[in-house]
Amino acid sequence: DAGVTQSPTHLIKTRGQQVTLRCSPKSGHDTVSWYQQALGQGPQFIFQYYEEEERQRGNFPDRFSGHQFPNYSSELNVNALLLGDSALYLCASSLFGQGGGSEQFFGPGTRLTVL
Amino acid sequence: DQQVKQNSPSLSVQEGRISILNCDYTNSMFDYFLWYKKYPAEGPTFLISISSIKDKNEDGRFTVFLNKSAKHLSLHIVPSQPGDSAVYFCAALNFGNEKLTFGTGTRLTIIP
Repeated sequence: DAGVTQSPTHLIKTRGQQVTLRCSPKSGHDTVSWYQQALGQGPQFIFQYYEEEERQRGNFPDRFSGHQFPNYSSELNVNALLLGDSALYLCASSLFGQGGGSEQFFGPGTRLTVL
Repeated sequence: DQQVKQNSPSLSVQEGRISILNCDYTNSMFDYFLWYKKYPAEGPTFLISISSIKDKNEDGRFTVFLNKSAKHLSLHIVPSQPGDSAVYFCAALNFGNEKLTFGTGTRLTIIP
């Protein structure tokens, strides 16, 4: 079992560009949540996808969007990048209705740097 | 608005002694609390949790205590081992709503 995988590991972009991050959930999981962890902060919830739909959303602007594919993998897209978008982006997978924290498994994250 | 707070950014403890990590929360709607451990270049890993109907949960060397009236929880690690050196995050949620709210983390260093 490969667990939750994310790609790429690191990414450098410039302001105004767009970026796509990818996540493959743990085998058997159907729900993907995305978190942003800025330097010195805890992870902040961006949104959650289940059945290819956004189910919940945190306090993030519309520049942040996502997608879930039929195989449960997911993408996070960020448009019009700002310097403040520099962070570690974490993906967590779970089985719908059982993601009460302990059942969410996190990937290693994608480190995004915006210059 | 920081709904989950960890006021100690770092903590150093001698190997074999007890490590106590603290967490406070402000949202009284939270009814489930968790501790995650994070090593560099890895995602957070679930450590232990507690429901708001309990005041203590124990798992091996790890014990979490919850004081609902004070909106405070703590993680006790005893005895502390070098492999416990990591960043520890406190998190909270409304059970059934899977959105985790994290604190800012405490970096624990175990001194051999």
